Amino acid sequence: DGGITQSPKYLFRKEGQNVTLSCEQNLNHDAMYWYRQDPGQGLRLIYYSQIVNDFQKGDIAEGYSVSREKKESFPLTVTSAQKNPTAFYLCASSMGTGGDYGYTFGSGTRLTVV
Amino acid sequence: AQKITQTQPGMFVQEKEAVTLDCTYDTSDQSYGLFWYKQPSSGEMIFLIYQGSYDEQNATEGRYSLNFQKARKSANLVISASQLGDSAMYFCAMREGINRDDKIIFGKGTRLHILP
Repeated sequence: DGGITQSPKYLFRKEGQNVTLSCEQNLNHDAMYWYRQDPGQGLRLIYYSQIVNDFQKGDIAEGYSVSREKKESFPLTVTSAQKNPTAFYLCASSMGTGGDYGYTFGSGTRLTVV
Repeated sequence: AQKITQTQPGMFVQEKEAVTLDCTYDTSDQSYGLFWYKQPSSGEMIFLIYQGSYDEQNATEGRYSLNFQKARKSANLVISASQLGDSAMYFCAMREGINRDDKIIFGKGTRLHILP
């Protein structure tokens, strides 16, 4: 079945460490997105990519980095510059054509700083 | 200013009753799309319904309907005959423009509790 796979489901980070969250899709979607979710804050856009080898900053890109070397993959690195990284991270993709269903989402990664 | 406003942080509804979740939006674009997503406690985001700005009829998907009032910039979600499984967070969202790869902006959500 096609879908988006995020890994790991839970991730613990020590202060000062960089960590990378994986996002892989087999839907042949062109565009991919990373959102951060905090309690009571809804979803906020970190980065998005509409084509391979290109990406744009979202509303809260500081302290994060991404790459888009392959259509299927859009990893997110949470750097030590991100002062409050504990949150739920959701990856999504969109087809760009056909019926408009917005995004397809992964099941999320919950990151905790210890 | 917020682009998407959901004024109900939480709601409690008796099972089998209809429920309306409020959403207002702010845009100067003529072309835009409005979405509702459901997020159960598992965290997964589930697409429920879509309304395009040029759609003249309100969107419906099974028990879900979107009450679209363009002049008021309102896009309320109506769930008919609520079920216990409807208990979840609900997010209203908007995409401005006509490009389906453009980013979607989300509201802060409404937590719905269905009471048996």
